[in-house]
Amino acid sequence: GEDVEQSLFLSVREGDSSVINCTYTDSSSTYLYWYKQEPGAGLQLLTYIFSNMDMKQDQRLTVLLNKKDKHLSLRIADTQTGDSAIYFCGIWRNKLVFGAGTILRVKS
Amino acid sequence: DTEVTQTPKHLVMGMTNKKSLKCEQHMGHRAMYWYKQKAKKPPELMFVYSYEKLSINESVPSRFSPECPNSSLLNLHLHALQPEDSALYLCASSLGSYNEQFFGPGTRLTVL
Repeated sequence: GEDVEQSLFLSVREGDSSVINCTYTDSSSTYLYWYKQEPGAGLQLLTYIFSNMDMKQDQRLTVLLNKKDKHLSLRIADTQTGDSAIYFCGIWRNKLVFGAGTILRVKS
Repeated sequence: DTEVTQTPKHLVMGMTNKKSLKCEQHMGHRAMYWYKQKAKKPPELMFVYSYEKLSINESVPSRFSPECPNSSLLNLHLHALQPEDSALYLCASSLGSYNEQFFGPGTRLTVL
């Protein structure tokens, strides 16, 4: 089956950059997603990248994809307290398979 | 309208009750999904409807019964649930089966 792994916890200071990492096993994945989930809420789609791209930037968010190492990362520039949440990477392989989620805590 | 709505927000039911969860979107999306999310875990896919037809059932117990009355509505009928079915139930939709999915806020279900 599809394995998607994420580090479980990241703590950063307000104003710093955050980098959340994700690794996966299936190299035939086409679309790769990042979702944000705040307490008691549903998942909010942040951004996604197609597998033929290396990088995608959207305001404070930068997604990097290293297909050779099967590694996906999400960089959040100038991290704010409102960015505190759980971040899920999702890999498309006939269905959306999520990693376990990374808890981001932003200290003011 | 660019959101997925779900009702109710919270639901408490006994093991002998019958209840339904509702999901609605008016984005013209043709694929709709039910996910189950336990605390501190990622969402797990339960069902997929594509063009109002059930296309994926992830071996979900028959006490969960999905229904797609039209392209904008998705229901999940619940009957004879167990306490371990308590979870956040998320609905999602996408333009097509291969497009990005947009999630609703979820229904927090507690089975007593």
